[in-house]
Amino acid sequence: AQSVTQLDSQVPVFEEAPVELRCNYSSSVSVYLFWYVQYPNQGLQLLLKYLSGSTLVKGINGFEAEFNKSQTSFHLRKPSVHISDTAEYFCAVSESVGNEKLTFGTGTRLTIIP
Amino acid sequence: DAGITQSPRHKVTETGTPVTLRCHQTENHRYMYWYRQDPGHGLRLIHYSYGVKDTDKGEVSDGYSVSRSKTEDFLLTLESATSSQTSVYFCAIRKGQGARGETQYFGPGTRLLVL
Repeated sequence: AQSVTQLDSQVPVFEEAPVELRCNYSSSVSVYLFWYVQYPNQGLQLLLKYLSGSTLVKGINGFEAEFNKSQTSFHLRKPSVHISDTAEYFCAVSESVGNEKLTFGTGTRLTIIP
Repeated sequence: DAGITQSPRHKVTETGTPVTLRCHQTENHRYMYWYRQDPGHGLRLIHYSYGVKDTDKGEVSDGYSVSRSKTEDFLLTLESATSSQTSVYFCAIRKGQGARGETQYFGPGTRLLVL
């Protein structure tokens, strides 16, 4: 069965500093990987996704993630964060070709310090 | 905008009361999902549907039932609400181009408090 681990439940970062949010997954087959963002009191928005091809994936709002099969990781990065990036970030994995079911990590709360 | 609405957006109910949450989509997508979100657990799948009258259980289906009589509507029912079902409930649809491109998009959520 697939699983996702987000080791950091909270990450405080100064404004304009770089950030990396970690995501590791477990699966016995090929996977598809997603990052979602949840702003306060809102639903989830898709940030980016990896299905195949280039291991470096670019998403919205200047975020990018790199799929590393050997380390079973899909870490999210941004070179310079802004106050508006304050949110909770969820990594998710799917094993099925049609992405029928997603398994989510427990989330990382990113707090930007002015 | 994923074209998903959820109703009600907020609800307070008492233990033992039946509750039904509605998810409505405007784009006729085949797959629809119900998740619950709880601190420290992320999102967990309750039930999902892959067509009218076609549903299957997710990770945390105990105490919940679903129905889908029309493509656009997916209902989640708590037959007898318990305090452990206090949560935020999200509906999602799956859409995209081709099987490998399909991605889930989420509704705004329903906050349910069971007293």
